[in-house]
Amino acid sequence: NAGVTQTPKFQVLKTGQSMTLQCAQDMNHNSMYWYRQDPGMGLRLIYYSASEGTTDKGEVPNGYNVSRLNKREFSLRLESAAPSQTSVYFCASSEKQGSGTEAFFGQGTRLTVV
Amino acid sequence: AQRVTQPEKLLSVFKGAPVELKCNYSYSGSPELFWYVQYSRQRLQLLLRHISRESIKGFTADLNKGETSFHLKKPFAQEEDSAMYYCALSPGFQKLVFGTGTRLLVSP
Repeated sequence: NAGVTQTPKFQVLKTGQSMTLQCAQDMNHNSMYWYRQDPGMGLRLIYYSASEGTTDKGEVPNGYNVSRLNKREFSLRLESAAPSQTSVYFCASSEKQGSGTEAFFGQGTRLTVV
Repeated sequence: AQRVTQPEKLLSVFKGAPVELKCNYSYSGSPELFWYVQYSRQRLQLLLRHISRESIKGFTADLNKGETSFHLKKPFAQEEDSAMYYCALSPGFQKLVFGTGTRLLVSP
């Protein structure tokens, strides 16, 4: 049971390049999320998907696109990377249960845009 | 709009001292509130949730709806408690909103 798996762990991009961050979960959760973590800013929600086939913007969606490929996978795409997108990206999944909603996180992707 | 405020970026205490990490929220409904913790080189993980009224690793948090607060407390801090702590709020539609985090440093 791997939980939430993100790839890659590290990436360096040049300004203007594109890339896709992959995320997969094996817990059969309906909800999946993409966050970015920046010093002093905490975790900010980029996009989320409450269920397969739906996606919604979070707090900081500009410059990103997402795809909920199936129930397991939720990818984040940077079409034209900018230095302001240098950050650590976290994918998470959750399922609402009687005891509340617990989110499970991936190990993070450290992205540097030069 | 939902918002979570953690006013302290850094909290530094000595081992054995009491700890209180502050969290205030704004939400018009009845929220679910959580504390998540990120230890060095580990992924973010749930510490506790208000709905369970549990104590995990000696930490407790009480929801105060009047003050819209959910402060995290521990009577005697340990060095292994040093980590980044995030308060989070979940509205009814399964979105998690995080605060900016507080780094706790416990010195020997």
